[in-house]
Amino acid sequence: GAVVSQHPSWVICKSGTSVKIECRSLDFQATTMFWYRQFPKQSLMLMATSNEGSKATYEQGVEKDKFLINHASLTLSTLTVTSAHPEDSSFYICSARTGLYGYTFGSGTRLTVV
Amino acid sequence: GQQLNQSPQSMFIQEGEDVSMNCTSSSIFNTWLWYKQDPGEGPVLLIALYKAGELTSNGRLTAQFGITRKDSFLNISASIPSDVGIYFCAGQRGRDDKIIFGKGTRLHILP
Repeated sequence: GAVVSQHPSWVICKSGTSVKIECRSLDFQATTMFWYRQFPKQSLMLMATSNEGSKATYEQGVEKDKFLINHASLTLSTLTVTSAHPEDSSFYICSARTGLYGYTFGSGTRLTVV
Repeated sequence: GQQLNQSPQSMFIQEGEDVSMNCTSSSIFNTWLWYKQDPGEGPVLLIALYKAGELTSNGRLTAQFGITRKDSFLNISASIPSDVGIYFCAGQRGRDDKIIFGKGTRLHILP
């Protein structure tokens, strides 16, 4: 079956530094990937849609200069949280479209900014 | 914007009991999805529904796509400890549209 690998699983960084999260489709090509953010005990909120070879589409209220998305190949999308602050601490999850209506999610990245 | 109202917010049940949760929307969706999320993990698809009125089962799980296309329910029969987790409904209007998630139902099984 389609597998989406997300790395790292967790990361702790200092305030003001940048963190890169990778999302890879392991056994299929993903022209479209999605990045979500989830706060404790809350639902998944879509941050942006990442399209291979083009600029990401950001949801309203998401700072594109803070959350940089790159989808340079059909198997890799990256999310870089720039100049991270404690309020950016969250669970970040990517997903990829795997078929007509199928979506597979990565296992998520727990970001803690100290 | 589009919102999904999922209820109940949490459930505390005894092992072996049946579980029912539902999701409603003020707008129509053409696809309804049910996911389960374990702590520290990404959501895993349980059931996907593509047609109004469709009733689909996956083992002890059964889900239905409401005839109005504005609601869906998920039933779990004879719950077991590994059913513990957060269940999310999600809707999608069209194939290229984003998935909208409900707020989740937290299932707890009492010892």
